[in-house]
Amino acid sequence: DQQVKQNSPSLSVQEGRISILNCDYTNSMFDYFLWYKKYPAEGPTFLISISSIKDKNEDGRFTVFLNKSAKHLSLHIVPSQPGDSAVYFCAASEARGSNYKLTFGKGTLLTVNP
Amino acid sequence: GAVVSQHPSRVICKSGTSVKIECRSLDFQATTMFWYRQFPKQSLMLMATSNEGSKATYEQGVEKDKFLINHASLTLSTLTVTSAHPEDSSFYICSAGREPSEQYFGPGTRLTVT
Repeated sequence: DQQVKQNSPSLSVQEGRISILNCDYTNSMFDYFLWYKKYPAEGPTFLISISSIKDKNEDGRFTVFLNKSAKHLSLHIVPSQPGDSAVYFCAASEARGSNYKLTFGKGTLLTVNP
Repeated sequence: GAVVSQHPSRVICKSGTSVKIECRSLDFQATTMFWYRQFPKQSLMLMATSNEGSKATYEQGVEKDKFLINHASLTLSTLTVTSAHPEDSSFYICSAGREPSEQYFGPGTRLTVT
């Protein structure tokens, strides 16, 4: 049972345009949501996060929106650049005692064309 | 940002042998490290949470006798795949960090069991 879903395996966007990556979740206990970027044969790198009590967080070209009632979040990249081409993972965190657990989606391959 | 290294980056072993993968936090102390496994075009699946000085916490469905985790110091956790089989072939990634948004991932280890 996938608790974090990224239904689009790939997305292709023109340089300078907006990239919108979507993510849906099912577990109401998730309290933090994160986006990671991953290049082949490398570990994921953290991009941006949002607490479940907020609906928007912005960091430079990256903005994450959270719609808690719909259990949906999205990552907006504006303007998109060719260097943004990578696999983007949506992840959700839930507390487990003094620790936490991250649950990842399957990822969306973003290709930004020059 | 913080750096997490993994060794080896690639390993090929014969069926029935054991393989050890190291995960090191290079410039910070990590009381907790996480081990993930990723199949092609799939999400990162948490295998276990490694706690320094105590037993690891394994996720449901992960055989603790097959995937031995040792977190002997604040900068090193090891994952040993015992009696490896071809179905254990996968990409193994570790991470460390106090909070979800401070999660630093290693570059991963590609294990191939022949």
